[in-house]
Amino acid sequence: SQQGEEDPQALSIQEGENATMNCSYKTSINNLQWYRQNSGRGLVHLILIRSNEREKHSGRLRVTLDTSKKSSSLLITASRAADTASYFCATVYGAAGNKLTFGGGTRVLVKP
Amino acid sequence: ETGVTQTPRHLVMGMTNKKSLKCEQHLGHNAMYWYKQSAKKPLELMFVYSLEERVENNSVPSRFSPECPNSSHLFLHLHTLQPEDSALYLCASSQDRTSGNTDTQYFGPGTRLTVL
Repeated sequence: SQQGEEDPQALSIQEGENATMNCSYKTSINNLQWYRQNSGRGLVHLILIRSNEREKHSGRLRVTLDTSKKSSSLLITASRAADTASYFCATVYGAAGNKLTFGGGTRVLVKP
Repeated sequence: ETGVTQTPRHLVMGMTNKKSLKCEQHLGHNAMYWYKQSAKKPLELMFVYSLEERVENNSVPSRFSPECPNSSHLFLHLHTLQPEDSALYLCASSQDRTSGNTDTQYFGPGTRLTVL
């Protein structure tokens, strides 16, 4: 299966701390995306990193991609209570460029 | 707001009922998707429509029947469902990859379905 796997499954931190979560996948990808989901709601796209990129930033988010290790990480700096959500990585591979394969997600709790 | 709306937001139905979920996107996209999200399971892709043509059907039981009458609307018709079909059903849209745009998908808020 191409399915990404996030690690850890759950993370609890204090407001102001950084949160780091990792994603591993199994086969070569076109790109990898990170999404966020608030409880019982739809997913919101955070950031996309292509297979030829190694690092991307968006506000307080930093994503890295290591294609040799088939892994990616998402770092949220200076976390806020509003960052409490589940975070999913999704991989895109092959000719079906519009097909996302999601991992199981990391549940992040940011305590005020 | 992501530009993708879903109705209803909540639905309770019996196993013998017939109901439909509706999704509408206001983003001018030409691809739409249905996903199922069950508790403690990864998001599962059910159907993909690109340019109103079904291009993906991930071995979904026939009691789920999609319909895409135009590029802005997507339906999921439900009949004789089972309790294990209870889940959050998410719709998404994107601009088809052949246009050169990114593969970002925009999700609706979901329909929480409970089958009794």
